[in-house]
Amino acid sequence: GQSLEQPSEVTAVEGAIVQINCTYQTSGFYGLSWYQQHDGGAPTFLSYNALDGLEETGRFSSFLSRSDSYGYLLLQELQMKDSASYFCAVNHNAGNNRKLIWGLGTSLAVNP
Amino acid sequence: EAGVAQSPRYKIIEKRQSVAFWCNPISGHATLYWYQQILGQGPKLLIQFQNNGVVDDSQLPKDRFSAERLKGVDSTLKIQPAKLEDSAVYLCASSLYWRDEQYFGPGTRLTVT
Repeated sequence: GQSLEQPSEVTAVEGAIVQINCTYQTSGFYGLSWYQQHDGGAPTFLSYNALDGLEETGRFSSFLSRSDSYGYLLLQELQMKDSASYFCAVNHNAGNNRKLIWGLGTSLAVNP
Repeated sequence: EAGVAQSPRYKIIEKRQSVAFWCNPISGHATLYWYQQILGQGPKLLIQFQNNGVVDDSQLPKDRFSAERLKGVDSTLKIQPAKLEDSAVYLCASSLYWRDEQYFGPGTRLTVT
C-alpha cells in the first residue's frame, strides 16, 4: 500500500524555526512535493525534491532522504502569515499510474 | 499568465439533485486534476486527465460522479444524484506534465442539504 505520515499540528512563535517531517511508504516513488494551504484558500506549491539533499527557497527549505523514505520542510524566521496547513505529497510513478499522493496535512499555528 | 478558473465558487443543492462544476486550466497544461477536499483533510484525487484521456479515476465514485475533458482543454465534473457526504470543496488543478507542480483554482464549495 501507499501511505504518508506527517504531524497533524505544530505550534511555534514568530521568528522561530519549525521543521515538519514526512515519512512515506510507497512503490514507484518519483519525488516529494510540499504544498501550503491557507484557511479558505487553495493549495500552492512550495517545493519539490527528486534527489537526496536540501533544496532552499528563501525562508523555506525542503529535504529528502530516499533511503530513509523521509523528508521535511523547514520554515525559518516564522511570520504570522505562515500559519497554514502544509501537505507533503509523493509523486508516484508506477507504469501508467502517475499521480500525486497527498498526506493529511500539518496545521501550523504561528503565535506572536 | 491567467490562473486556473473554476465556476461556480459556491453551490447549495438538496440531496438527490444534480450539480456540475467547470474548470479551465492554464493554457498549455496537458494534465488536469479534480480533487475533493473535505474540511480538515487533504485533497483527494477524483480524476486525472492527460490531455483528454483519463490517467486515474480509481477514487471517483462512478455510480454518481462523472467527468469529461472533451477537447483536452476545459473540463466538467458532474454529480448526479448528490448525497450529503458530497459536501466538500472541489478543486481543479493543472500542470504541464504529471510530475510538475500543480496550479490550483479557487475551488467550488458545495453544500448538500
